[in-house]
Amino acid sequence: QKEVEQNSGPLSVPEGAIASLNCTYSDRGSQSFFWYRQYSGKSPELIMSIYSNGDKEDGRFTAQLNKASQYVSLLIRDSQPSDSATYLCAVNSNFGNEKLTFGTGTRLTIIP
Amino acid sequence: SQTIHQWPATLVQPVGSPLSLECTVEGTSNPNLYWYRQAAGRGLQLLFYSVGIGQISSEVPQNLSASRPQDRQFILSSKKLLLSDSGFYLCAWSESGNTIYFGEGSWLTVV
Repeated sequence: QKEVEQNSGPLSVPEGAIASLNCTYSDRGSQSFFWYRQYSGKSPELIMSIYSNGDKEDGRFTAQLNKASQYVSLLIRDSQPSDSATYLCAVNSNFGNEKLTFGTGTRLTIIP
Repeated sequence: SQTIHQWPATLVQPVGSPLSLECTVEGTSNPNLYWYRQAAGRGLQLLFYSVGIGQISSEVPQNLSASRPQDRQFILSSKKLLLSDSGFYLCAWSESGNTIYFGEGSWLTVV
């Protein structure tokens, strides 16, 4: 069983709509959760981190965490063509153990 | 602010040749350093991480090795490359072992 799972996509969303990206993880002891964006041929860049249950908003991005369901999601409001990328979910299973486990990513395409 | 530099950006190497990728971090002290590999169409695989000079942990048995000769320098090496070593290599750093920041990456093609 994969430790961090994401739907590989591709996920196509019309411009201006809300894109919803989902991630599940297997380790109930996981403490920290991250979303990275990776454009084709480039390195991943951090979008958001979340540590507590609930929602965390940053501009057009909202991360949602539900530890009971072992589920973390990323919502992108007012999607723009520049949001087209692969989104990676990452989980730190034991706080301070120096390592993140990454999902394989969801490819998102925003349709103009 | 902290910055991370990684080089070379791209390289094409024949099978059996050696490899050296280098990474340096600026603007921080005693960072945690990481080497990841991303093969085509696959997720990020942690290869090595280091919490201090000379302290290297290997995650995956392979023909690669890593060294940390200085606090903010991390080197990935191989004595003899295999075709399966092709991929996108990413150096990364963190201050607390939590949030990880990546370098620009190095594209390696073994032919």
